[in-house]
Amino acid sequence: QQKVQQSPESLIVPEGGMASLNCTFSDRNSQYFWWYRQHSGEGPKALMSIFSNGDKKEGRFTAHLNKASLYVSLHIKDSQPSDSALYFCAVMPNYNVLYFGSGTKLTVEP
Amino acid sequence: EAAVTQSPRNKVAVTGGKVTLSCNQTNNHNNMYWYRQDTGHGLRLIHYSYGAGSTEKGDIPDGYKASRPSQENFSLILELATPSQTSVYFCASGGQGRHAEQFFGPGTRLTVL
Repeated sequence: QQKVQQSPESLIVPEGGMASLNCTFSDRNSQYFWWYRQHSGEGPKALMSIFSNGDKKEGRFTAHLNKASLYVSLHIKDSQPSDSALYFCAVMPNYNVLYFGSGTKLTVEP
Repeated sequence: EAAVTQSPRNKVAVTGGKVTLSCNQTNNHNNMYWYRQDTGHGLRLIHYSYGAGSTEKGDIPDGYKASRPSQENFSLILELATPSQTSVYFCASGGQGRHAEQFFGPGTRLTVL
């Protein structure tokens, strides 16, 4: 069974700072990876996906994937208070099912 | 934008009682999912469906049943609710393929006393 582990459990960064979130997965056959974000009181929403080794940048967000090391990360540049949320790494072993990590709680302090 | 709604939003049930959580989507997505969210466990998949009439077991199906009577509706049924099923439940819908993101509803907070 796929295991997805995230670190750290919680993270506090100052406004304008860089937030780095980490995720490891257990299945070497995993191909597709997503980051989801959940603001308090809401359902999760997809932030970005990454399928190839290397970096993928979308605005202030950069995802990094290293399949050989079973590792994916998310970096948020110029963090804003509105980025404060729970962030989930999710691994898609096939086209239909996602396995989520336990999440990283990000707090951006003004 | 994609729309997934859940009802009820909050539910208090008694141990041993039957609970039905409902989910409706207007995205015309084939796939629908039920998750529960607990602190320290993230989102765990209970049941999912590929289309009307189909249900599949996820990682933690014990104590839960699912029903997909139509493309739009997907229900989660707790026949004999237990306090360990106290949680926040999320429904999601999604298309097919690796680019298909899942769209989540607002969640149902269930408390079993």
